[in-house]
Amino acid sequence: EAGVVQSPRYKIIEKKQPVAFWCNPISGHNTLYWYLQNLGQGPELLIRYENEEAVDDSQLPKDRFSAERLKGVDSTLKIQPAELGDSAVYLCASSLGPLGTQYFGPGTRLLVL
Amino acid sequence: GENVEQHPSTLSVQEGDSAVIKCTYSDSASNYFPWYKQELGKRPQLIIDIRSNVGEKKDQRIAVTLNKTAKHFSLHITETQPEDSAVYFCAASRETGANNLFFGTGTRLTVIP
Repeated sequence: EAGVVQSPRYKIIEKKQPVAFWCNPISGHNTLYWYLQNLGQGPELLIRYENEEAVDDSQLPKDRFSAERLKGVDSTLKIQPAELGDSAVYLCASSLGPLGTQYFGPGTRLLVL
Repeated sequence: GENVEQHPSTLSVQEGDSAVIKCTYSDSASNYFPWYKQELGKRPQLIIDIRSNVGEKKDQRIAVTLNKTAKHFSLHITETQPEDSAVYFCAASRETGANNLFFGTGTRLTVIP
């Protein structure tokens, strides 16, 4: 069984530019999460989806971050415009339902110059 | 919200010795406590978890103990091997309607051959 897939794995952009990350969850997993992981820290939840509905986006900085999961499968996370402080690893995870074990993708490492 | 503290931040042990990592949490309603292992540049992977209806769980060389009264839980690795070297994260969540994980800050374990 394929795991959670994310792309790109690495991204370098200049500040004020837009950037987007893509996630494909494990097949059949209807719950999807986006986490932010700063260097030397644990992951922090940004947003959680149940199917196509964002049920918890309280930690998502909505002035510059947006996310979507239009068909309840793949998801994209966007930052516009990016700031220097956004440099981090963006992790996607999925689970079989909201109470299932969370499986993580490899992450996208973002560097904003 | 939940606050998870993890100690130590770094831990070095000789191969074959035991390693113990400790976490405390603040939300008495938390009842699910997973541990994730993250190797350098890789995704976090679940290695063991425990729910509040048990006090201890063991899986080969790995065990987790939970003290709900004191609100702390620990990861024990026995007979450590070089491949155990990684960053370990504890997490806590309420398994009631949502599984939002709150992570500790991580422990970098180094097993010296």
